[in-house]
Amino acid sequence: NAGVTQTPKFQVLKTGQSMTLQCAQDMNHNSMYWYRQDPGMGLRLIYYSASEGTTDKGEVPNGYNVSRLNKREFSLRLESAAPSQTSVYFCASSERGERGYGYTFGSGTRLTVV
Amino acid sequence: EDQVTQSPEALRLQEGESSSLNCSYTVSGLRGLFWYRQDPGKGPEFLFTLYSAGEEKEKERLKATLTKKESFLHITAPKPEDSATYLCAVLTGYSSASKIIFGSGTRLSIRP
Repeated sequence: NAGVTQTPKFQVLKTGQSMTLQCAQDMNHNSMYWYRQDPGMGLRLIYYSASEGTTDKGEVPNGYNVSRLNKREFSLRLESAAPSQTSVYFCASSERGERGYGYTFGSGTRLTVV
Repeated sequence: EDQVTQSPEALRLQEGESSSLNCSYTVSGLRGLFWYRQDPGKGPEFLFTLYSAGEEKEKERLKATLTKKESFLHITAPKPEDSATYLCAVLTGYSSASKIIFGSGTRLSIRP
């Protein structure tokens, strides 16, 4: 099984540009999450979807939007990228609808905003 | 303020040299504590969940323990392939008030 697949793996954006990070899982998990990871800081939750058709804000949602397209796919959109959004973005999924329990993570998208 | 602190930031050991990583937490109500392993350029990989003080979990050379204020990840006779960053995370609160707080990790390096 592929698990959680994220695309692209790397991206460079100019300030003000927009882009969508894609995430798909093939484990039939109900819950999906978007995190960002910055040097010296722990992973921080941006948005999550406890089940298909629902989305909720995490701890750092400003500047982002999400779409739970179907049970498999959960995308993260940056409408107007800013240098502060330079980070590594991880998508995760879990069978249980609670944060942290047995996450399966993707391999990440390294985003640089110049 | 809820907080999770991991120490040390980095640890270098000789192959076979046992040691422990620490995760201390200050939260309003612990519901679960998780350990993850992260290899360079990869996403974290789930290792353990601990729910209450006194609980222990083991997997190969790793053993996680939990007290009311901290968790330890003990590594016994490590091998070079155990080199990675180890993350802990704490879940607090219920329903819409629940949140998970990740520590910034301990970077473990095992020399052959």
